[in-house]
Amino acid sequence: KAGVTQTPRYLIKTRGQQVTLSCSPISGHRSVSWYQQTPGQGLQFLFEYFSETQRNKGNFPGRFSGRQFSNSRSEMNVSTLELGDSALYLCASSSTSGSQETQYFGPGTRLLVL
Amino acid sequence: GENVEQHPSTLSVQEGDSAVIKCTYSDSASNYFPWYKQELGKRPQLIIDIRSNVGEKKDQRIAVTLNKTAKHFSLHITETQPEDSAVYFCAASRSGTDKLIFGTGTRLQVFP
Repeated sequence: KAGVTQTPRYLIKTRGQQVTLSCSPISGHRSVSWYQQTPGQGLQFLFEYFSETQRNKGNFPGRFSGRQFSNSRSEMNVSTLELGDSALYLCASSSTSGSQETQYFGPGTRLLVL
Repeated sequence: GENVEQHPSTLSVQEGDSAVIKCTYSDSASNYFPWYKQELGKRPQLIIDIRSNVGEKKDQRIAVTLNKTAKHFSLHITETQPEDSAVYFCAASRSGTDKLIFGTGTRLQVFP
């Protein structure tokens, strides 16, 4: 099976712009979670989606949003970008939600906000 | 609130020595504790996990122990090798969610 894929891999934006990141889970996986990784804050949970429904949301401002499609692919959107949004955005997939099955991470999208 | 503390932040060992990384969690409802290894520029990869109904789990050179009463869990790597050099993250979650609360990471360096 192909692993979790994320596009794009690298992105440069300027303050005030918006960005959309995409995550394709492992085939058959229905749960997708998103994390932000920065040197200062480490790995922080953003959202969790299962069957097109957001099941959980982390402590991020409303500028961060996400969604999941019927084929389990997920997107996250960040509007009105700030310098502090520069980070590696990782998504992870598992076959079901909340069953404590292994979550497999994608390679991440590295976002730089100038 | 939910929090996972991880120590030490850096750890240097000689090849062949053992390495121990410790984590403490705050949410008493946490019952799943995975450990991820992240090499430079790569994605985090699960190396071992433990559930709260088990006190210890071992997989070759890697072992994890869990003390539910103290809310502590630890990663033990024996006979370390240079390829073990990476950042290791502990995490905790509770039933009904995939949300992982991560520790701050430990940078392990194994010198030949």
